[in-house]
Amino acid sequence: DIQMTQSPSTLSASVGDRVTITCRASQSISLWLAWYQQKPGKAPKLLINKTSRLQTGVPSRFSGSGSGTEFTLTISSLQPDDFATYYCQQYNSFSWTFGQGTMVEIK
Amino acid sequence: QEQLVESGGGVVQPGGSLRLSCAASGFPFSSYAMHWVRQSPGKGLEWVAVISVDGSNTNDAESVKGRLTISRDDSRSTLYLQMNSLRTEDTAVYYCARAAVGGVTGAYYGMDVWGQGTTVTVSS
Repeated sequence: DIQMTQSPSTLSASVGDRVTITCRASQSISLWLAWYQQKPGKAPKLLINKTSRLQTGVPSRFSGSGSGTEFTLTISSLQPDDFATYYCQQYNSFSWTFGQGTMVEIK
Repeated sequence: QEQLVESGGGVVQPGGSLRLSCAASGFPFSSYAMHWVRQSPGKGLEWVAVISVDGSNTNDAESVKGRLTISRDDSRSTLYLQMNSLRTEDTAVYYCARAAVGGVTGAYYGMDVWGQGTTVTVSS
């Protein structure tokens, strides 16, 4: 099974900061990487699919990049609504795996 | 609007069984692959199982193989998860989720519609 490792596990930041979260796969997954945002007590929300494709309605301050084994989620200017936990998720050979999550908290 | 509603959660003893249901509405259920994802208390997301558009292909996580079985009834627009031989480590909120794109390869693109979750507690 492919393992996904996110870093950092927790990130403290201020409104307006540029934030980057990294996700590494234990083997190449081409571009099959998605990013989710989850707030406490709520279901996850898909932000980005296939590495860099922004879901409809997701603000343009969110962006994704990478390929193979290393991927990043960037929030260009952190907004109050962005404080949440973020997960990456890979697809390979009809199997999916989530990263362990990155909590973005207020500094 | 597009909606998924889970039901069937509850408290069960170790070794017991439960069947979760996920009722879909607002979209052509038969055109989408479907997933179950779970989240243990205070923990991250864990993918559990997937079923293809026509139900001919399924897969599940190693942690649940042989115990949890995904199925679908397109005539009822409903997804199921049969849970047998339950363990304490299966305690979690269980979400059903829709593949982000319809069709055979749509499941590659992540999961874009989620239910509110149903809680399963395995405890003696």
